[in-house]
Amino acid sequence: DTAVSQTPKYLVTQMGNDKSIKCEQNLGHDTMYWYKQDSKKFLKIMFSYNNKELIINETVPNRFSPKSPDKAHLNLHINSLELGDSAVYFCASSPLGETQYFGPGTRLLVL
Amino acid sequence: AQTVTQSQPEMSVQEAETVTLSCTYDTSESDYYLFWYKQPPSRQMILVIRQEAYKQQNATENRFSVNFQKAAKSFSLKISDSQLGDAAMYFCAYSEYGGSQGNLIFGKGTKLSVKP
Repeated sequence: DTAVSQTPKYLVTQMGNDKSIKCEQNLGHDTMYWYKQDSKKFLKIMFSYNNKELIINETVPNRFSPKSPDKAHLNLHINSLELGDSAVYFCASSPLGETQYFGPGTRLLVL
Repeated sequence: AQTVTQSQPEMSVQEAETVTLSCTYDTSESDYYLFWYKQPPSRQMILVIRQEAYKQQNATENRFSVNFQKAAKSFSLKISDSQLGDAAMYFCAYSEYGGSQGNLIFGKGTKLSVKP
């Protein structure tokens, strides 16, 4: 059974489009995260939700909007995609303050 | 703000040999976690090892062990009996212990190559 899953794994789209990435975890964790890995492999936190409430919102363009319908899901919606949004996006989950487990990543390519 | 530094962008090791990856960090906290994550070409982020700062004993997981020097804020990873499957990017990461946020702060990574 996949602990943290993301869909889709690959996403190729045109500039200006709107897209969503979905994340689900079956580990029963309270906290979920979105990280962005850029072309130089650097990983940085974008958002964090604990029990469906936003607890971290780093300096991210407001074109990015996370949504957590329940504790097991954290989706990422991106409006008006730009070339610079091309990256790998990772979802992760953990009990708050504990070890994080990552999804397989979604590679986004904006053309 | 906490920072994590990995000073070795690339390392290479011969199969069956031992290699040590370096990591230093900066924090004013006394309780925290440190992690090493592995990212193979499949891009999956895999937890290798975890160290709680309040524990003096260095963590060990099979062929992987750490040298945790709290005063020096150093956290190196030693891989013994290196295998071809160990070739990957290795990321050192920090998070607050029991913190209200708990997000990971990553170093820039070290790319490890294993030569047969």
